[in-house]
Amino acid sequence: EVQLVQSGGGLVQPGDSLRLSCVASGFSLSNYWMSWVRQAPGKGLEWVANIKEDGSEKKYLESVKGRFTISRDNAKNSIFLHLDSLRADDTGVYYCARLGGDGSQYRSSDVWGQGTLVTVSS
Amino acid sequence: DIVMTQSPDSLAVSLGERATINCKSSQSVLYNSNKKNYLGWYQQKPGQPPKLLIYWASTREFGVPERFSGSGSGTDFTLTISGLQAEDVAVYYCQQYYNLPLSFGGGTKVEIK
Repeated sequence: EVQLVQSGGGLVQPGDSLRLSCVASGFSLSNYWMSWVRQAPGKGLEWVANIKEDGSEKKYLESVKGRFTISRDNAKNSIFLHLDSLRADDTGVYYCARLGGDGSQYRSSDVWGQGTLVTVSS
Repeated sequence: DIVMTQSPDSLAVSLGERATINCKSSQSVLYNSNKKNYLGWYQQKPGQPPKLLIYWASTREFGVPERFSGSGSGTDFTLTISGLQAEDVAVYYCQQYYNLPLSFGGGTKVEIK
């Protein structure tokens, strides 16, 4: 079965750091651009970052540039999102998602992780 | 940045009736070289991740019931649920993947009347 299983997240204070993980099964992660999308409580979906199949390209939402880092370990079929300098408005459920497997990041997301909650509060 | 605007915010439809959701992009998402609209539709039920229903504006994802259909081109798109079922109660989002930042509409909540 094709799936993404997430871990990480939790309650942290403003300024803290956190690492989110996403492990793929049922397919080879190395063939796909991957994405992180977040959803604030009761709100809509917001794209956060993309990473190329080999990790050589990374793209970020402007408001997280310099604070969040997307990475991947294809040998472990995993991607990660490292969140630094967290702020209250970073609170939400974070999803990893698979983009199209044809070498482009300009694709819809056909496989999603279950989501992991990040709460930033003092 | 491309802004996606959905309407209505919510709608209530009787079982078996048609639900229509609109999505408008602030600029065209039609890529002229391949004539594809870079537009997808997702369904999200409470406590669950989004599920891809439609991509390229009108191509149904594998396993998605035929009652879900997408149409439109350029800047104006529609998701139609023909014959609403109880399990279709959810929030629906459109998304453009024409350029970065990828962006979603605000969502449309579909309920049973």
